[in-house]
Amino acid sequence: GQQVMQIPQYQHVQEGEDFTTYCNSSTTLSNIQWYKQRPGGHPVFLIQLVKSGEVKKQKRLTFQFGEAKKNSSLHITATQTTDVGTYFCAAPLNAGGTSYGKLTFGQGTILTVHP
Amino acid sequence: DAGVIQSPRHEVTEMGQEVTLRCKPISGHNSLFWYRQTMMRGLELLIYFNNNVPIDDSGMPEDRFSAKMPNASFSTLKIQPSEPRDSAVYFCASSPAGTGNEKLFFGSGTQLSVL
Repeated sequence: GQQVMQIPQYQHVQEGEDFTTYCNSSTTLSNIQWYKQRPGGHPVFLIQLVKSGEVKKQKRLTFQFGEAKKNSSLHITATQTTDVGTYFCAAPLNAGGTSYGKLTFGQGTILTVHP
Repeated sequence: DAGVIQSPRHEVTEMGQEVTLRCKPISGHNSLFWYRQTMMRGLELLIYFNNNVPIDDSGMPEDRFSAKMPNASFSTLKIQPSEPRDSAVYFCASSPAGTGNEKLFFGSGTQLSVL
């Protein structure tokens, strides 16, 4: 079935280094969302991108949506230990018809930050 | 609002026993989703409802799994009989209108261990 591919699966960085995770789809996406899950926690919504080429920033986090609306990235500048967790992209993938909010999640990138 | 409420938080049971997971979505939300999370398979959508009606249960792994939503404020996911491979974290999530452009609100999850 349709999937959202996310890489890398794991990323270990030293505190202060940058971090980037990427998502790719074979089909054009109506929108893409990003979630963060802290260890032992549940996914929490970060942001949604809708427009082609859209770039949004949240403090040290920068989110981009590709021009073709088939890929997206999340970049964290100068990571901190509070950034530790798993970052997921998610998108509505429906072969026609209404998705009713159904989201397909990427595999997630587990970020470890060493102090 | 208290958010999406799931119970129990943890469940330990023996193989062959029936397990019932419960979810109370955010009041006013029309779509409800059950996800399962494992290290191997990530976040998998099992089933989702819109206005209490099951829309897509293609993610339900086997006939041992069933889900109901008798009213707008309550849903259950039942596994009967349970097996060790069902061990996972089960998340319930809801969204306001289910148009595909809205974020999901996740509950804290149920950690299920089947011995």
